Amino acid sequence: EPEVTQTPSHQVTQMGQEVILRCVPISNHLYFYWYRQILGQKVEFLVSFYNNEISEKSEIFDDQFSVERPDGSNFTLKIRSTKLEDSAMYFCASRLAPGQGIGNQPQHFGDGTRLSIL
Amino acid sequence: RKEVEQDPGPFNVPEGATVAFNCTYSNSASQSFFWYRQDCRKEPKLLMSVYSSGNEDGRFTAQLNRASQYISLLIRDSKLSDSATYLCVAPYAGGTSYGKLTFGQGTILTVHP
Repeated sequence: EPEVTQTPSHQVTQMGQEVILRCVPISNHLYFYWYRQILGQKVEFLVSFYNNEISEKSEIFDDQFSVERPDGSNFTLKIRSTKLEDSAMYFCASRLAPGQGIGNQPQHFGDGTRLSIL
Repeated sequence: RKEVEQDPGPFNVPEGATVAFNCTYSNSASQSFFWYRQDCRKEPKLLMSVYSSGNEDGRFTAQLNRASQYISLLIRDSKLSDSATYLCVAPYAGGTSYGKLTFGQGTILTVHP
């Protein structure tokens, strides 16, 4: 079964440094997402991306965050100047667009990148 | 009311037991929902989609009560491998499921021998 893949699995970075988290969504999916989960807390939406642009973003997704689809397969999340509170699991997800499948299509998640800010 | 609210548990049940989890949601426009399971420090994995009044998949039954804005998940004949956190998930306002997902805080289930 096709799956969403994320790299690296664990990233350790000094506060203030830039990080780029990488994702390869499922190949025929057209909607892409980033979520994060701080340890012990619920999964939170960050941003959705469709047709090469952000379709929605949360309050968490401030100017320090950006997303990009640099080629036909990768989808990246960049945090420009990391803070201690950015430490979390970051999940990438993708799904079919309406009309691509039957019924309401769920989002499929990658296995996450654990980001630790020191 | 929180957008999606769940009893965090934990639920500790013996193998073979039947257990039910509840979830309430605040957005009456939501049309479909999902139950995901999450193992410790792993990604959420889709368990079931919930639509219409409910649906069944093997040992798992999900029910939706739109009038009460309430979703349930019933697990019959619990297995040790069912131990996980169960996440109630609602799509964003408007009901379409290609927008952001809103997660509940999860219900912890532990099945013991």
